[in-house]
Amino acid sequence: QVQLVESGGGVVQPGRSLRLSCAASGFTFNSYAMNWVRQAPGKGLEWVASISYDGRQKYYAESVKGRFTISRDDSKNSLYLQMNSLRAEETALYYCARDKFAGDLDYWGQGTLVTVSS
Amino acid sequence: QSVLTQPPSVSAAPGQKVSISCSGSSSNIGNNFVSWYQHLPGTAPNLLIYDNSKRPSGIPDRFSGSKSGTSATLGITGLQTGDEADYYCGTWDSSLSAYVFGPGTKVTVL
Repeated sequence: QVQLVESGGGVVQPGRSLRLSCAASGFTFNSYAMNWVRQAPGKGLEWVASISYDGRQKYYAESVKGRFTISRDDSKNSLYLQMNSLRAEETALYYCARDKFAGDLDYWGQGTLVTVSS
Repeated sequence: QSVLTQPPSVSAAPGQKVSISCSGSSSNIGNNFVSWYQHLPGTAPNLLIYDNSKRPSGIPDRFSGSKSGTSATLGITGLQTGDEADYYCGTWDSSLSAYVFGPGTKVTVL
């Protein structure tokens, strides 16, 4: 069965960096685009970034461009999100999600919590 | 501020029907497929509808989706207490080169 397990969350000071990981299993990882989506406390879902199945195309929300980098390692069936210059308002539960096709996010992980606080 | 618009909340009695609208523009809903997600905060969101109106396996036919022009609608019939959740529409925005979610609609079963 498809499984996505996020890790790497924690408490970090504003301006610092954090790298999230998402371990995928149960499907052919290199055949699917992948996404990061976050939900801040009391807020709605916010798409953060996506990467194509072959890693060649990457897209970012305007709010994270230039600070976040999405990447993948198909040899490890893993998705990553490098987050730099973190801000307090980016405190959120970060989910990775598989893209079935053209934006159909059909499987999601349980999320990893990032808290940005001094 | 989302480029998609949803009502903040809808409610109905058990067994009744609710409809949730999602309004956008030609750069998103008008020219791209719409998906709908059910979400209980703190848990993994669940894909309910994709490609405007298709249901993934395991999703009951009480859930339906439609699209017309720059708007989409999620319908839930035979409302159950277990349907209480937040519902989000989502689609690609070609102008932003970004995926966008609506602000979410909270469904309450009275």
